[in-house]
Amino acid sequence: RKEVEQDPGPFNVPEGATVAFNCTYSNSASQSFFWYRQDCRKEPKLLMSVYSSGNEDGRFTAQLNRASQYISLLIRDSKLSDSATYLCVVAGQDTGRRALTFGSGTRLQVQP
Amino acid sequence: ETGVTQTPRHLVMGMTNKKSLKCEQHLGHNAMYWYKQSAKKPLELMFVYSLEERVENNSVPSRFSPECPNSSHLFLHLHTLQPEDSALYLCASSQSQGWTEAFFGQGTRLTVV
Repeated sequence: RKEVEQDPGPFNVPEGATVAFNCTYSNSASQSFFWYRQDCRKEPKLLMSVYSSGNEDGRFTAQLNRASQYISLLIRDSKLSDSATYLCVVAGQDTGRRALTFGSGTRLQVQP
Repeated sequence: ETGVTQTPRHLVMGMTNKKSLKCEQHLGHNAMYWYKQSAKKPLELMFVYSLEERVENNSVPSRFSPECPNSSHLFLHLHTLQPEDSALYLCASSQSQGWTEAFFGQGTRLTVV
């Protein structure tokens, strides 16, 4: 089983739509969670951290469910500029590695 | 000045060449990383340095050799690479190793011919 699993997509949605991505992780001791965004042929960039209480940043909302070991990202009112690959990232003391572990990403294509 | 800078941005090398990738971070972070990203694969962790000491080597072939002379600089020395080593090589840094968010450089796109 992969440490971090994501649906690769692509998710093709019209402008203005709401879209949600889920990500599951295997290590229950994981303690830090993030969503990154990666544009084609560019480096990953931090989109937002994911807190236990959930957090919102403008049109983006992230949720963490520790019991089920999944993280979600909700994007409201999608823009063309949201088209990218969204990477789920997990870290923690007992993951067996002392660095962030990346999922393979979910590709989003927002269409006009 | 961007937070993490990598040079060169693009590199084409033959299998018998020796080259080095350079990374510099201006964020005052304590940990630096090398990741490899091949087409349609997730980022693979190669090396981790924390406070200039290598703390993780993720079973990377010896043809890749990292060097961290100080907390701001990280190198990846390459020699006798194979065509399958062609990939995007990303350097990242974070405030603390393995817990906090990492910031990436723009990467070096390496092609081995």
